[in-house]
Formats: sequence, C-alpha cells, structure tokens
Amino acid sequence: AQTVTQSQPEMSVQEAETVTLSCTYDTSESDYYLFWYKQPPSRQMILVIRQEAYKQQNATENRFSVNFQKAAKSFSLKISDSQLGDAAMYFCAYRSAPSNSGGSNYKLTFGKGTLLTVNP
Amino acid sequence: EAGVTQFPSHSVIEKGQTVTLRCDPISGHDNLYWYRRVMGKEIKFLLHFVKESKQDESGMPNNRFLAERTGGTYSTLKVQPAELEDSGVYFCASSVYRGTEAFFGQGTRLTVV
Repeated sequence: AQTVTQSQPEMSVQEAETVTLSCTYDTSESDYYLFWYKQPPSRQMILVIRQEAYKQQNATENRFSVNFQKAAKSFSLKISDSQLGDAAMYFCAYRSAPSNSGGSNYKLTFGKGTLLTVNP
Repeated sequence: EAGVTQFPSHSVIEKGQTVTLRCDPISGHDNLYWYRRVMGKEIKFLLHFVKESKQDESGMPNNRFLAERTGGTYSTLKVQPAELEDSGVYFCASSVYRGTEAFFGQGTRLTVV
C-alpha cells in the first residue's frame, strides 16, 4: 500500500517570500501521479499542481513549482512570491497510474496536510 | 458551471443518531468519490461510484456506513448509528472520467457528541 507523509504540520511565510512544503511517499509502483491540493478555510479543495512520475521535468504553474525526486520519493512544493491568498491547508496526494492494477485504482492517497500561514 | 456541492456544511448529532450527507457532483461527471478526514489525520478514501455502481468501496469503515447514488446523479452517505469516532470532515469529489482531475466539494463537518 502507498503512503504519503507531510512532516510539517504548520508553516509560515512572509508575504512576497518563498516557502517550500515537504512531501515524501512510499510506493513499489513505477508509474503514478502526484498532486498538491490547496484548501482555503471553509472552501473547496482545489488542485494546485500535478506531476506524472514518468516525466523528469518538474511541473510548474505560475508561482507554484515542484521538486520531484523520484529515486528519493520526494515531492516538495515551492511557492514563490507568496500572497495572502495562498494561506490554506496544503495536501500532498498520490494516485496510481491506469497502467497499474488493470486501471481500477483511482483513489487518492493523501498526507496529513500542512497549514500554511502568510504574514503581511 | 456549478462545482461539487455538499449538504449540510456542518452537522452536530448525538451518538446513536442517524445522519445523511449529500453530494451533488458536477453535471456530467460519472465518477463520484467520498473521502473522510478525521481530525489531525490523513484524508482517507471511502468509496468510488461510476454512475450508480459502486466501483470500489474498500475504504468504507464498517456496515454503519451506507452510500447510494440512485440514478447516477447525486449521492448520499448515511451513518447509522453514529459513533464518536465518526466525527470528521467528509469530502465528496467528482470527475468526468476515471483518472482525470477530481473536483472536490467544500466538505461536511460532522461532529458526533
């Protein structure tokens, strides 16, 4: 079974600065997807960024980028030029690729989350 | 376009009572998922519907939980009878196809006292 670990329950950053959230995972599969989700207070959880394991290039979405280290099973999220609206709970998640288990396993496996505070 | 909506947003019930949570997925999304986050722990998968059929219910904790999706539209998750350890936030998500991006609702916070 896969596991996802987020070792930082809480993080804080000054507005306009950069912060990195850590995530490690454990799996025996070679093909999978990794995600970072963001849940602002009392709002819906939204997808921030996604990484396919077969891609060596790190995914980037505007101010959000990842450092994907497949051998180390590490998937950290970097937020540049932090904004007050970035304050949220961030969840790292894993999902098997369709090529595994006959394509029947579509569930996400989440970490415990990191609460990010952005200070003005 | 409306997103995934969940009702109620909060529910406080006594141990032994019954509670029904509802999820309205995005229109046209055949895949619907239920997840649960117990305070301080991971968000855990409960089950996955494809239309009205249960594709995977391996995460359902016990037979006090019953999920339905009649007609392949909205889904309900009933807890009967509720226990203290059922407290947490219940999330619903939907996707067009299996494996494509899942869109989440805001969650239902259930407190059993």
